[in-house]
Amino acid sequence: NAGVTQTPKFQVLKTGQSMTLQCAQDMNHEYMSWYRQDPGMGLRLIHYSVGAGITDQGEVPNGYNVSRSTTEDFPLRLLSAAPSQTSVYFCASSYSIPMNTEAFFGQGTRLTVV
Amino acid sequence: EDKVVQSPLSLVVHEGDTVTLNCSYEVTNFRSLLWYKQEKKAPTFLFMLTSSGIEKKSGRLSSILDKKELFSILNITATQTGDSAVYLCAVVGNEKLTFGTGTRLTIIP
Repeated sequence: NAGVTQTPKFQVLKTGQSMTLQCAQDMNHEYMSWYRQDPGMGLRLIHYSVGAGITDQGEVPNGYNVSRSTTEDFPLRLLSAAPSQTSVYFCASSYSIPMNTEAFFGQGTRLTVV
Repeated sequence: EDKVVQSPLSLVVHEGDTVTLNCSYEVTNFRSLLWYKQEKKAPTFLFMLTSSGIEKKSGRLSSILDKKELFSILNITATQTGDSAVYLCAVVGNEKLTFGTGTRLTIIP
């Protein structure tokens, strides 16, 4: 029963480097989303997807790209990392638009940009 | 823009005390309000509330929603050290889940 799997758990990047945070779920959930969590800021929505082939921007999308080619996977790309992107990133999924069911979270990726 | 405000930001109590955590919101097309508990890692689900005045209960935790006044409370009775965590309130509206900043609860033995 894997649920939502995020990789890697920890990452250090140099400013300007690119990388992809992976997120996969095995629950056949339509809705997937990415959040970042910073001290005193709570969880802020970066991008979300209501189904394969459909993505949309959340509250803080700048500097991040996403794609949703399959129901299972929702990778988050940092094209040119900046120190302001140092944060803990969470991927979440739910059966549908999360109005009638809770969101399940991955274990998080702690990213440091130096 | 959707907004969720939690209070207090931080709370320190002794084991056995009862605590009340608050969540107020301004959301377009409100669908539901959720409470999560976050210890060291991922948030874990506690409650989902969609109707006013109906209390949800799980052991020592309970929660209620007031859709007229746009707020919810989370009560924890007879607190234990294992209740120490950040409690997050989130609201669903227009396909998005918007979180508050959380209340950090610390239980002193």
